Amino acid sequence: DIQMTQSPSSLSASVGDRVTITCRASQGIRNDLGWYQQKPGKAPKRLIYAASSLQSGVPSRFSGSGSGTEFTLTINSLQPEDFATYYCLQHNSYPWTFGQGTKVEIK
Amino acid sequence: QVQLVQSGAEVKRPGASVKVSCKASGYTFSTYGITWVRQAPGQGLEWMGWVSAYNGNTNYAQNLQGRLSMTTDSSTSTAYVELRSLRSDDTAVYYCARRGGLDLDYWGQGTLVTVSS
Repeated sequence: DIQMTQSPSSLSASVGDRVTITCRASQGIRNDLGWYQQKPGKAPKRLIYAASSLQSGVPSRFSGSGSGTEFTLTINSLQPEDFATYYCLQHNSYPWTFGQGTKVEIK
Repeated sequence: QVQLVQSGAEVKRPGASVKVSCKASGYTFSTYGITWVRQAPGQGLEWMGWVSAYNGNTNYAQNLQGRLSMTTDSSTSTAYVELRSLRSDDTAVYYCARRGGLDLDYWGQGTLVTVSS
């Protein structure tokens, strides 16, 4: 199975900050990675697909990069509605695996 | 617009079975697969498996093999997940999600399954 190591597990940031979250795959997964945002009591929402493509309707302050084993989600100018938990998901091979999640909290 | 609407919350005894439904609308059901993901209270997301709405092919997580079944009914555009021999650690919110060519583009609202004696 491919292990996805996501870091940090949590972070505190202020409105307007730039935030970076990383996922590392235990083996190469090309660009078969998505990023999801989850708010309490809600279903996850896709932000990024194919590692760097922005989902329609998602603000452009979200961006993704990486290929192979190292991937990054960046949020430029953090907004109040961005405080949530973020997950990466590899879909290169079964079983698909999620990162452990990163909780973004208000400083 | 694409929608996935799941059945309501369930409370089950240990050892029982549960079947959760996921009704799709707004797209051609047989074109996409359905993936099931669960989330235990306060925990992260766990991929359970996938079912093709085209031919019923499945792929399940190894740790659930033998207790898990995923099926679809094209006549009603509905996907089902059934989990048998329930244990307390199966208590979770269960989500269906459309496998939109790549990964998971649309999600259901979630169904809470509580396993308690």
